[in-house]
This record gives sequence, structure tokens and C-alpha cells, in this order.
Amino acid sequence: NAGVTQTPKFRVLKTGQSMTLLCAQDMNHEYMYWYRQDPGMGLRLIHYSVGEGTTAKGEVPDGYNVSRLKKQNFLLGLESAAPSQTSVYFCASSRSTGSINYGYTFGSGTRLTVV
Amino acid sequence: TQLLEQSPQFLSIQEGENLTVYCNSSSVFSSLQWYRQEPGEGPVLLVTVVTGGEVKKLKRLTFQFGDARKDSSLHITAAQPGDTGLYLCAGNNFNKFYFGSGTKLNVKP
Repeated sequence: NAGVTQTPKFRVLKTGQSMTLLCAQDMNHEYMYWYRQDPGMGLRLIHYSVGEGTTAKGEVPDGYNVSRLKKQNFLLGLESAAPSQTSVYFCASSRSTGSINYGYTFGSGTRLTVV
Repeated sequence: TQLLEQSPQFLSIQEGENLTVYCNSSSVFSSLQWYRQEPGEGPVLLVTVVTGGEVKKLKRLTFQFGDARKDSSLHITAAQPGDTGLYLCAGNNFNKFYFGSGTKLNVKP
């Protein structure tokens, strides 16, 4: 019962470095999401995908790129990391009919620090 | 500004007390969920509500979706220390997704 798996769990980057966060789900969900969680700011949507090969911007997309080449995987990339991107990143997936979101299944998070 | 406003932000109560957490918006949502998050973990889904006026019960937790689908409440009866955590509401209107900022609940034994 893996659900949503995120890697890595922790990472420290220097300003300007790049990295990719990996997310995999085994529930055959169409929708996948990347959120960041910061103290006092709650969960904010970065990018999401409604199916294989499609992506869309969320509330805070700047500085991030995503790809959904396979239905079960959703990758989040940081091309040139900045200290403002220090955060906890959560991947999630959900069953959705388009109007109804039946609820997210979240991964356990990636704690990223940019120094 | 948050599209979904949760109140209260913090709640510290004694074991056995009852409590209600509110999630309010001026927007209509197609569906709304409640989650509980513990430190170092991702949020875990408690319930999804989709029909205005809907009431769902999960053991000692009662969830209500407002008639106009703009607000929701979570009521916990006889709170226990295991209920301690961050409670989050989330709503969507088609491909628009929103989270509340959360209510941090501490239940003291």
C-alpha cells in the first residue's frame, strides 16, 4: 500500500543549484499536484496535472517546472534554487471527475533548504 | 488573503471537551475536504463532502457542508490527546484548488 512516494526526503542546495523532486503514485489517479507548505502560509499549489502529458500552473509556479511523462509519475524541477524556495514540498494525487475532487493522497514530503 | 478562512487558528483544550472548527469562504465549492496533519507528515484525508447541507460522521468527528457550499465545520466530541494535530480544510471549484491555513489543535490529558 505505497500510495504516493516522494524522493528525496531531505535535501540541502546551494543558491543557483538545480534539482528534481520525484513523485510516484500507484493508485491510477488522473490528477497529481505539487504543493509547498511554509509556516503561516499554509499549503500553496505550485503546479498540477490532470493527466499524462498535461500540466498547468497553480498559485505559485515561478521558479519551478514540472513534467508528467507517465501517468504514475510527476516531477518537480528547480532550475536555479533560491533561498525563498526553502520549504516543505508535498506531492499529492487524487481521483477527480473534473468538478469533484474526492480527496488528496499526500506523500510524506521533501524538506528542502536552500543556503 | 486566503480564499478559505479557518477559525480558530489555535485551540488548546482538555481531554473530554467538545470543539468546533470552521472553514468559511465567499466562494462556492464543488467539493470540500478535511485533513489532519501531524508534524513531519503529509496531511491525511478525513472526509470529502460534495452536497450542500451534507453531514458526515466519522466516530467522534462530525463534518457539515453549508447549504450554499461556501462553508464547512468540523465538530469533535469528547476530544482525546490522539486528536492533536493540524486540521486543514480544502476546496475546489473545477480546476481551482484551495487550502485553508489550518487550525492547530492541542488536546491536553
